[in-house]
Amino acid sequence: GAVVSQHPSRVICKSGTSVKIECRSLDFQATTMFWYRQFPKQSLMLMATSNEGSKATYEQGVEKDKFLINHASLTLSTLTVTSAHPEDSSFYICSARGGDTTYEQYFGPGTRLTVT
Amino acid sequence: AQKITQTQPGMFVQEKEAVTLDCTYDTSDPSYGLFWYKQPSSGEMIFLIYQGSYDQQNATEGRYSLNFQKARKSANLVISASQLGDSAMYFCAMREGSEVQEYGNKLVFGAGTILRVKS
Repeated sequence: GAVVSQHPSRVICKSGTSVKIECRSLDFQATTMFWYRQFPKQSLMLMATSNEGSKATYEQGVEKDKFLINHASLTLSTLTVTSAHPEDSSFYICSARGGDTTYEQYFGPGTRLTVT
Repeated sequence: AQKITQTQPGMFVQEKEAVTLDCTYDTSDPSYGLFWYKQPSSGEMIFLIYQGSYDQQNATEGRYSLNFQKARKSANLVISASQLGDSAMYFCAMREGSEVQEYGNKLVFGAGTILRVKS
């Protein structure tokens, strides 16, 4: 159990376009989802925390108008990179946490975004 | 100040030997949790082991054990009997606050250690 999927796994888009990444919890209800960004050979940096039905909480330095996060249901959160630029190219990973007392975050497989 | 420090950018270990990956942390919260994750080249984050700040015993999960020294604020990962498949990036992470909080709690990750297992 506790499977998190992400779609797409890889995406290439042109500069100036927007791209949406989906994160789904397949077998549990995720009250909280987290979005991370990871550059090659670097650590995961938390971008934002989203709770179902409320606005996401963004980390300092993350542009909320550029990285739109929607957590519309207990099983789905989306990250939309708007007006993407080459510097937005990165590995984006989501994780989900259930509403029970489990301490664990379950990670999705990640999405590799390349902006040309 | 860094909340999670992993001082070893890269480590080598001979197959079948044990290896220790270092992690120190900094927090003033009496309630916290420490995690280790493995990230192979495919990019997925694989949960390995968890230690709560109030846990009396060191956590163990198969070949993984966590050497938790609270006074020194260290949470080193010990991998016994290394296998070639253990070659990956390893991240130490910390969650501050109680695990029973309904919302949150976010994880802070260290810089990671690349482990290479030699045959």
